[in-house]
Amino acid sequence: AQSVTQLGSHVSVSEGALVLLRCNYSSSVPPYLFWYVQYPNQGLQLLLKYTSAATLVKGINGFEAEFKKSETSFHLTKPSAHMSDAAEYFCAVTQAWSGGYNKLIFGAGTRLAVHP
Amino acid sequence: EADIYQTPRYLVIGTGKKITLECSQTMGHDKMYWYQQDPGMELHLIHYSYGVNSTEKGDLSSESTVSRIRTEHFPLTLESARPSHTSQYLCASSRHGGHEQFFGPGTRLTVL
Repeated sequence: AQSVTQLGSHVSVSEGALVLLRCNYSSSVPPYLFWYVQYPNQGLQLLLKYTSAATLVKGINGFEAEFKKSETSFHLTKPSAHMSDAAEYFCAVTQAWSGGYNKLIFGAGTRLAVHP
Repeated sequence: EADIYQTPRYLVIGTGKKITLECSQTMGHDKMYWYQQDPGMELHLIHYSYGVNSTEKGDLSSESTVSRIRTEHFPLTLESARPSHTSQYLCASSRHGGHEQFFGPGTRLTVL
């Protein structure tokens, strides 16, 4: 079964600094991978997704992630943090189920704090 | 605009009350899901549906029930709310064969 591990439940960066949020997955088949962002009292918004095309995926708000099969990783980065990036970030991998249902397996989340 | 809606956004209710959390989507998606999320914690799948008249329980055992009479509507019901049901409930949907899920804004439920 697929699983997702997000290293670091809390990450704190200075405004303007590099953001790096780590995600490792386990999957017996080529995975579909996602990063979602959740702002306080909101639902989840898709940041970006990897679906076996380009290994470097660009998403919204200046975020990008690189799929590295050899490392089973899909780390999320942003060159320069903005105060508005403060949120909870979830990495997820698809697990195929019966009936055409694709289950999303979520990591535990990483809370990003951005300080002036 | 195609979207997914949840009402109410916030609900505070007393123990023993029956409640229904509403979820509707206008994207024509076949599949819909309910997740439970405690503050600062990961998401746990509690119910899902392949389509009309199809409902299944998810990974996390829940005392709630769901129904899917119309494609666009997937309400969740608690017959008798308890403080242990206090949580955030997120509804999501995806198209047939699709991998990404689209989420509603969530309902934050507090049971006193």
